[in-house]
Amino acid sequence: AQSVTQLDSHVSVSEGTPVLLRCNYSSSYSPSLFWYVQHPNKGLQLLLKYTSAATLVKGINGFEAEFKKSETSFHLTKPSAHMSDAAEYFCVVSEDGNTGKLIFGQGTTLQVKP
Amino acid sequence: DSGVTQTPKHLITATGQRVTLRCSPRSGDLSVYWYQQSLDQGLQFLIQYYNGEERAKGNILERFSAQQFPDLHSELNLSSLELGDSALYFCASSVGGGQGDTQYFGPGTRLTVL
Repeated sequence: AQSVTQLDSHVSVSEGTPVLLRCNYSSSYSPSLFWYVQHPNKGLQLLLKYTSAATLVKGINGFEAEFKKSETSFHLTKPSAHMSDAAEYFCVVSEDGNTGKLIFGQGTTLQVKP
Repeated sequence: DSGVTQTPKHLITATGQRVTLRCSPRSGDLSVYWYQQSLDQGLQFLIQYYNGEERAKGNILERFSAQQFPDLHSELNLSSLELGDSALYFCASSVGGGQGDTQYFGPGTRLTVL
């Protein structure tokens, strides 16, 4: 069965420093993996997705993630945090080829300090 | 703005009542998904429709039902409401209905059951 574990419920960084949000997944097949962001009182926005092409995926707003099959990880990184990056981040997996069912992690709250 | 619209934005009702949440997908998208976000359960997939037909079912209670109409908009009906049904309900849409398709999320409907 597929599942997602976000290893940190809360991450705090200073503006201008790197961001690392960790995600491990469990999947029996070839998964598709996503990172979504949710700003307060807003809907979810796709940051990036992996669908078995290049293992290093670049997304919007300077974010990127690397798919590592041997480690079953899909960590999200950004070289330099901006105040506007403060939000809730969700790692998401999908592996059922016939449906678009998404399995969400519990989320990581990113705090950016000035 | 994702292009997915949801109405109403907020809904306050009493236990035992019935409500209907409405979703209009992005133009051209054939698939509609419903998700529930609550503090204790996180984000959970409820159900998916593709071009009017049910495609996948998740953790959707028997008191809940959904449909997708010929114009592709969808409605989620929640009946015999309980306090625990209070949550944020998201609708998403995608062009196709399979794994890896990017889902675009609406702003959500916040349901409060008193």
